[in-house]
Amino acid sequence: LAKTTQPISMDSYEGQEVNITCSHNNIATNDYITWYQQFPSQGPRFIIQGYKTKVTNEVASLFIPADRKSSTLSLPRVSLSDTAVYYCLVGEGGGADGLTFGKGTHLIIQP
Amino acid sequence: GAVVSQHPSWVICKSGTSVKIECRSLDFQATTMFWYRQFPKQSLMLMATSNEGSKATYEQGVEKDKFLINHASLTLSTLTVTSAHPEDSSFYICSARDSRGGALYEQYFGPGTRLTVT
Repeated sequence: LAKTTQPISMDSYEGQEVNITCSHNNIATNDYITWYQQFPSQGPRFIIQGYKTKVTNEVASLFIPADRKSSTLSLPRVSLSDTAVYYCLVGEGGGADGLTFGKGTHLIIQP
Repeated sequence: GAVVSQHPSWVICKSGTSVKIECRSLDFQATTMFWYRQFPKQSLMLMATSNEGSKATYEQGVEKDKFLINHASLTLSTLTVTSAHPEDSSFYICSARDSRGGALYEQYFGPGTRLTVT
């Protein structure tokens, strides 16, 4: 599985757009990029997944450059409830294997 | 969306006793389930892969005789922590893969079980 690197923590304010970048230099051709969100004492929750270019859903956007060596999770107009740990995972599609979580990014949203 | 439940949500037990944690997929079948452990302020670590009708596969460093996994049906996997000790205190999380397969995200996580061994 490709190793990922994310900032350990980030701070922002309510109403701002937050971008969290993940580096995955050794991503393989068959690998997808997936982001999860985790609140304290809860299981991770799927946010978004992509393979290339841009993916958008009701909660976030995922930007992936052509070389796919990095990706950026964009959270529009964050609120206090977006304070959580965000994990970037890279792996082959199919979900047949257990997931390898890195350290994640602790996002803190202030009023 | 697909829902995975865990029971109990928290448990306190005495050192030396055994504790069973259940993981259920509520609205889909899961031939494969996964068990993770998370210590405070750390990331999730995969412990084992639970396969319906066959033996579990354990990650390196995880004692299979201590963490017994049973996946007796397509909707239920259990993790039994045997002879628990304080160092086993942790947050245990399961995930289930939809048997229909598909993309990576089709692993759905349970809410977790907080185990405290006194």
